[in-house]
Amino acid sequence: QKEVEQNSGPLSVPEGAIASLNCTYSDRGSQSFFWYRQYSGKSPELIMFIYSNGDKEDGRFTAQLNKASQYVSLLIRDSQPSDSATYLCAVYSGNTPLVFGKGTRLSVIA
Amino acid sequence: DVKVTQSSRYLVKRTGEKVFLECVQDMDHENMFWYRQDPGLGLRLIYFSYDVKMKEKGDIPEGYSVSREKKERFSLILESASTNQTSMYLCASRGNQETQYFGPGTRLLVL
Repeated sequence: QKEVEQNSGPLSVPEGAIASLNCTYSDRGSQSFFWYRQYSGKSPELIMFIYSNGDKEDGRFTAQLNKASQYVSLLIRDSQPSDSATYLCAVYSGNTPLVFGKGTRLSVIA
Repeated sequence: DVKVTQSSRYLVKRTGEKVFLECVQDMDHENMFWYRQDPGLGLRLIYFSYDVKMKEKGDIPEGYSVSREKKERFSLILESASTNQTSMYLCASRGNQETQYFGPGTRLLVL
């Protein structure tokens, strides 16, 4: 059974701080990794994806992947109250549905 | 811009009714998915389809069926709605680049 684990939170950070969201996965053959943001009552929105070990930056977001440790993270710099949402980690292992974690709830305090 | 649309944002149905949830994508994606999402349970995969007229069971297919007659359209059917099917239903599509996009969701209430 392929699994993706996330701390459910809530993770509370002050406005302007760096929020660090973490995800571990069980399948060593996993190829692609995705971060979705989901506001309350809304559908998940894709914000980042990463395929290779290392960092990938997009604006205030940085995804980090360490395949040896089976670990992927999302850093949000200069966190804003509008970043308050649930963040879902998803993993793709080739011709199968994405496996989703249950999400981490982030709260950015003004 | 990828667009996935769902036929209704909110639905209220009676126990025993047959319910159709429609999903349409405009990006010529092969892969389409139906999930339900409940508090504390995360996203759970109901059915998915890799091609027209193909369907595969997900993790919780009981009480549901699907139809994919055209590539852009994937329908979820609740044969006889029950109160435990009250949930948020999310459709998604995915192309060969592996990135998956969700529709806006349908919040279904079964009374």
